[in-house]
Amino acid sequence: KAGVTQTPRYLIKTRGQQVTLSCSPISGHRSVSWYQQTPGQGLQFLFEYFSETQRNKGNFPGRFSGRQFSNSRSEMNVSTLELGDSALYLCASSLTGANTEAFFGQGTRLTVV
Amino acid sequence: QQQVKQSPQSLIVQKGGISIINCAYENTAFDYFPWYQQFPGKGPALLIAIRPDVSEKKEGRFTISFNKSAKQFSLHIMDSQPGDSATYFCAARGGQNFVFGPGTRLSVLP
Repeated sequence: KAGVTQTPRYLIKTRGQQVTLSCSPISGHRSVSWYQQTPGQGLQFLFEYFSETQRNKGNFPGRFSGRQFSNSRSEMNVSTLELGDSALYLCASSLTGANTEAFFGQGTRLTVV
Repeated sequence: QQQVKQSPQSLIVQKGGISIINCAYENTAFDYFPWYQQFPGKGPALLIAIRPDVSEKKEGRFTISFNKSAKQFSLHIMDSQPGDSATYFCAARGGQNFVFGPGTRLSVLP
């Protein structure tokens, strides 16, 4: 069974630009969560999608948004990039979300210059 | 209340020794406690997890001890190996999202 796939693996963007990251969950998993990982703040929850609906949201500004498609694939968008958005963005998939095991992808390393 | 505290920040252990990482939480609504292992350049990988109705869970060299009354749980790595050198995160789940500890960087010396 294929794992969680995130694309692209690496991105370099300029301040003010926008970026879209993609996550394909494990087959059969319907919940996709997104996390930001930085050396200073650790792993921070962005949002979770289940059956194409955002079910939970962390404390990030509205520049961070996401969506989920009918095949459970998810995208995350960051608009008006800031230097502080440089981070490893991770997605995790699980069967239903609540109290089920979550499996992470390898992440997308975003660098904003 | 949503925080998970983790210690130590870093840990150096000799090969064959026992590595112990501790976590504490406040929110009694948390009901699932996984540990993740992360190597540089990789995403976190689920190592072992426990639910609060169990006091201990062992999988190979990895053991979680859980103290519900103290709201603490710990990871023990027996016979630590250089290949165990990684960053370890404890986490707690309440509802649909995880709260992660800040991580412990483990170095196992050969």
